[in-house]
Amino acid sequence: ETGVTQSPTHLIKTRGQQVTLRCSSQSGHNTVSWYQQALGQGPQFIFQYYREEENGRGNFPPRFSGLQFPNYSSELNVNALELDDSALYLCASSLKRGAGEETQYFGPGTRLLVL
Amino acid sequence: GESVGLHLPTLSVQEGDNSIINCAYSNSASDYFIWYKQESGKGPQFIIDIRSNMDKRQGQRVTVLLNKTVKHLSLQIAATQPGDSAVYFCAANSGGSNYKLTFGKGTLLTVNP
Repeated sequence: ETGVTQSPTHLIKTRGQQVTLRCSSQSGHNTVSWYQQALGQGPQFIFQYYREEENGRGNFPPRFSGLQFPNYSSELNVNALELDDSALYLCASSLKRGAGEETQYFGPGTRLLVL
Repeated sequence: GESVGLHLPTLSVQEGDNSIINCAYSNSASDYFIWYKQESGKGPQFIIDIRSNMDKRQGQRVTVLLNKTVKHLSLQIAATQPGDSAVYFCAANSGGSNYKLTFGKGTLLTVNP
């Protein structure tokens, strides 16, 4: 187990609604990254949060937004849900130590279904 | 654009055999690479990583090889076990201060008893 937790585990929404997904990072980690994984695909980077600020973003529209809290936990918000937003949303935590590499450890994900 | 791809979408091996999963990347600035294992209904699980200043790294029953010249890496699993059955992803960073990971589509490894 990575110590990264996500809630809820499953969620069903309808098109046009808004959703908030939550992630608690591994103890000692200061960075959270969010990924979207469509069925049969690899995870796609949404954005990363470090020190409560966005630190890099993938090719996702502004209706995907996030927050990081002082305890390093994080939220992913998606507004105006579309059918194509149905996916597994993964949170990964890591320890940013400066220039170089950081190993990202994933949570179990939240399965979102948009009807 | 940047892409990380896998040569084979599926791989079937007999229990006890060695498995080799291949991956190609396109971004020459990538300097950190990770292999993840994902079982059904779970998040990706870290297996092993390698920095660009290395060409080989070994873990427990796993070895990662990196060939920067041809932008290729591979994951070797020794004495493959039924519990190794899963989808395997390679991921590459974007280099520099951007820690975005780019994943391939994955290879489904099936281990036959």
